[in-house]
Amino acid sequence: EIVLTQSPGTLSLSPGERATLSCRTSQSVDSSYLAWYQQKPGQAPRLLIYGASTRATGVPDRFSGSGSGTDFTLTISRLEPEDFAVYYCQQYGSSRFTFGPGTKVDIK
Amino acid sequence: QVQLQESGPGLVKPSQTLSLTCNVSGGSISSGGYYWSWIRQHPGKGLEWIGDIYFSGTTYYNPSLKSRVTISVDTSENQFSLKLSSVTAADTAVYYCATGPTVTLDYWGQGTLVAVSS
Repeated sequence: EIVLTQSPGTLSLSPGERATLSCRTSQSVDSSYLAWYQQKPGQAPRLLIYGASTRATGVPDRFSGSGSGTDFTLTISRLEPEDFAVYYCQQYGSSRFTFGPGTKVDIK
Repeated sequence: QVQLQESGPGLVKPSQTLSLTCNVSGGSISSGGYYWSWIRQHPGKGLEWIGDIYFSGTTYYNPSLKSRVTISVDTSENQFSLKLSSVTAADTAVYYCATGPTVTLDYWGQGTLVAVSS
């Protein structure tokens, strides 16, 4: 079973700053099967990025994804007030869906 | 756009069976191409995939829950259901239904909190 690790656990930043979130997998994965979700308090997760780097419909271009193998990154170029949330990476494999523990981006 | 809505009891007694239904609108389960999933989130914690089902009835379950989980589909009602047996307090969580074209979960219900307590 592939394990996903996200870092940091919490990222404290100010609006306008750049956020860099990391997701590492315990084994190399096909980047086609790596996705990122955003979850705000009291809401369901929202798909942001799929295929490691493709933005889902309606996702602003300040969100970008990159990476391959075991190391993947979600970057938010300039944080807007609505971007403060928890972000999860997700891998699809033999065990179907596996999620990372999440990174909380909060206001500094 | 596909919309999903969970329904079911918000309180279940220990050792009983948790039963939830997800009603689908804006798309047909029987059209194929999408897998229909259940995911849960313990209070203040991360996401745990429970299992999914295809319109044909083919199911896949999380190995850690497989012995207690049954997911079924009713294409005539355009809904799918979750049953989790022998529940304990550790099964208290927000339960989501979701769907997507295999490798992602593109559409989610709003979630429903199920508490296990006597």
